[in-house]
Amino acid sequence: EVQLLESGGGLVQPGGSLRLSCVASGFTFSNYAMSWVRQAPGKGLEWVSGIRGSDLSTHYADSVKGRFTISRDNAKKTLYVQMSSLRAEDTAVYYCAKSSTVTDLNDAFDIWGRGTMVTVSP
Amino acid sequence: DIQMTQSPSTLSAFVGDRVTITCRASQSISSWLAWYQQKPGKAPKLLIYKASSLESGVPSRFSGSGSGTEFTLTISSLQPDDFATYFCQQYVVYSTFGQGTKVEIK
Repeated sequence: EVQLLESGGGLVQPGGSLRLSCVASGFTFSNYAMSWVRQAPGKGLEWVSGIRGSDLSTHYADSVKGRFTISRDNAKKTLYVQMSSLRAEDTAVYYCAKSSTVTDLNDAFDIWGRGTMVTVSP
Repeated sequence: DIQMTQSPSTLSAFVGDRVTITCRASQSISSWLAWYQQKPGKAPKLLIYKASSLESGVPSRFSGSGSGTEFTLTISSLQPDDFATYFCQQYVVYSTFGQGTKVEIK
């Protein structure tokens, strides 16, 4: 079964850091671009960052550029995002999502994890 | 940045109704548009990609159309399982989502 499982969420103070992980199973992880998408409580979806499977090129939304770093370990089939200088507005459920075609960051997302909640509060 | 605007924000309908949701892009995105369904507490589920292609396993009552800047998602006969929030997504330049359309029971 194709599956993504996020972990690492929690409560963190403003200015703090957190690293989220997403373990993949059921598909050839290294072949696919992967992304992080977040959803603030009661709000819509916001694409945060993506990383290609082949050349490991990355891209970030302006809202997190310079504060978040996406990475992946293809041997461990794991996607990461290191979040620093966290703000209250970063509070959200963070989903990892798989691109539906093999290489592209510009893609629909056919598989999503269940999400992990990040709360930024004093 | 490409902005995506959905309408309506909320839609009330009866089981069996034909339902249409519209998504407009701030600039042409060709057919690089997807539709998702999300239920409370759950992850989004891909329904439609490339504006009109039905994802495997998605019921045929869901259909998508449009190109350029205007797109629609149609549910031909609303079922109890379809009451949810629907999002569009452009993916011509990375990703941007619409704000969502909540489909409620009338």
